[in-house]
This record gives sequence, C-alpha cells and structure tokens, in this order.
Amino acid sequence: DTGVSQDPRHKITKRGQNVTFRCDPISEHNRLYWYRQTLGQGPEFLTYFQNEAQLEKSRLLSDRFSAERPKGSFSTLEIQRTEQGDSAMYLCASSLAQVQGLTPYEQYFGPGTRLTVT
Amino acid sequence: EDKVVQSPLSLVVHEGDTVTLNCSYEVTNFRSLLWYKQEKKAPTFLFMLTSSGIEKKSGRLSSILDKKELFSILNITATQTGDSAIYLCAVEARGANNLFFGTGTRLTVIP
Repeated sequence: DTGVSQDPRHKITKRGQNVTFRCDPISEHNRLYWYRQTLGQGPEFLTYFQNEAQLEKSRLLSDRFSAERPKGSFSTLEIQRTEQGDSAMYLCASSLAQVQGLTPYEQYFGPGTRLTVT
Repeated sequence: EDKVVQSPLSLVVHEGDTVTLNCSYEVTNFRSLLWYKQEKKAPTFLFMLTSSGIEKKSGRLSSILDKKELFSILNITATQTGDSAIYLCAVEARGANNLFFGTGTRLTVIP
C-alpha cells in the first residue's frame, strides 16, 4: 500500500457525459501529479500541483480537462463531454517537493481510476 | 524531445532464471532515472538512480546507471512467478516536474 488513494477505481460512462475523479495523496506530500496510461504505454504526464497551485499542464490536457487541489490536500480531475479516446487509466502520484541541489524525491502512485467511455 | 526506450518489449523466462532489462534515454538536463514495477494496478517504486556506476540493490533486484552511455539496466536474479509484471523506466529532467516514461518491458516468469 503506497498510501495514495484514488476514487473511484473504475468508471464506465457514456460519451458526452462528465466524470470526476478524486485523489488523496500521502499526507505529508505537497506535490501531486496526474498521469494517463493507455494500454501498452507508459504513463503520460497531465498536470501537477505544488500545494494548491497548479504549476504545469501538459499539451495532453485539453480544454475539456480540469484539475483542482483547493486546499493543497486532495485533488480532483474532471473530464467534460467525454470522448471514447478518453478511455484510459488515470493515475495520481504524490511526492515531497524537490529541494534544489539535493537528491530528488520519488513519486508514489495510487491504484488508478480506469475510465471506459462507451 | 525526451525519449525513453526500453528493451526487450517482452520477455518470457523460467523460474530461477536471471534477467536483464534495458532502458536507454535521451533527456535534456538529466536529473534522475527511476524504475517501477507495474502489475495490474499502479506502478510501485523500485529504484531511483542519479549517479553513474553506483549499483542500487534490493533483494534479488539491482540496478545501475551509466550517464555517459545514457542507459540503465535492471537485473532480477533467481526469478519467481511473482516477478511477472511490466517494468517501467522513467527519467526526470532538471527543471521539469514530471516523469517521462518508456513503454515498459513485460516480464512473464513461468513456473
């Protein structure tokens, strides 16, 4: 058990519907990341937060995607008007913040939310 | 553009065999390379490598990084069926805040 939890674990939705996923990071971790993984591929970075600030977004994160981390603890990822191409495993990870000049910290992943868009 | 290439893509071995998984990378301002094991769920952290030539070891698993030749290997000795998984290699660049993953090596260990 890595300590990162995600909910739900599975979601089946119809094309055009909105979905929201939740991630609870390891409690002392101030960095939170979202990745997407499709079959046969490694995880691809979507976005990350340091505390409540969203500091980076990938080109993969279209306008239909929005992520929040309002209090610097849990985060939500919402996909609006889902498309079949959104079907994937959505992974959340957390880590401590890097300190410049020191060894970086590893990211710990949650179990993921598997989204199927029909 | 950052690139991580893992080989082989898949591997089938018998219990007790030793395997070597390869990861080569191209990244601007390399900071670290990480290995993860992924079964039917989230990747679980194995090793982080930042310095060349220093072997990291955990039980039957070990890994080493060569920053001059831009590759890393993950060794698993005396493989067991529980080692069956996808092994992912990822790199992190200085100034970046995400991991860039390869497509993974699928290892199957047959009893």
